[in-house]
Amino acid sequence: NAGVTQTPKFRVLKTGQSMTLLCAQDMNHEYMYWYRQDPGMGLRLIHYSVGEGTTAKGEVPDGYNVSRLKKQNFLLGLESAAPSQTSVYFCASNRAVRNGYTFGSGTRLTVV
Amino acid sequence: AQSVTQLDSQVPVFEEAPVELRCNYSSSVSVYLFWYVQYPNQGLQLLLKYLSGSTLVESINGFEAEFNKSQTSFHLRKPSVHISDTAEYFCAARPSSGGGADGLTFGKGTHLIIQP
Repeated sequence: NAGVTQTPKFRVLKTGQSMTLLCAQDMNHEYMYWYRQDPGMGLRLIHYSVGEGTTAKGEVPDGYNVSRLKKQNFLLGLESAAPSQTSVYFCASNRAVRNGYTFGSGTRLTVV
Repeated sequence: AQSVTQLDSQVPVFEEAPVELRCNYSSSVSVYLFWYVQYPNQGLQLLLKYLSGSTLVESINGFEAEFNKSQTSFHLRKPSVHISDTAEYFCAARPSSGGGADGLTFGKGTHLIIQP
């Protein structure tokens, strides 16, 4: 039962570097989401997707881009990393809005 | 737009004591409500949810939450906690109408600390 898989689990970047976080789900879910979690801030929505080929901005989209070329994958990109993007990133998916999310185990990103 | 407020950032309780984690929401439309639990270094797991119908919802591990529309609350309770309940708990909400999937709004979380 893979569910939602995030890679990598940990990463350290230097300011200005770029990277892509991968989220893969094997549940045939339509909806996928990227959140960031910061101490005392809860989870904040970065971008989301309602289906293959579609993406939309969430609450805190600046500095991030996303792509959903395949239904099972949702990629989060940082073009030029900044220390303010140090966070734990969670991917989630669900089949319908009435359902709860299935979360990945997270990616801990540090930008120095 | 809706907002979710968890009034306590940290709740310490003794083992086998009861606990209540408070959650209030603000929304101009009907909402679905959720509680998630996050154990250390893990992702979030769905604990329970309120969609409609009975205002009292239960989870398989002894937690329950009651939807109170007049007080716009969805507090989480457990009559007797265990060490294994130590975790971060998040309340979340989203509008029940509309076909969009614009994501859940989460509260900032409550850290439940169980003391032996």
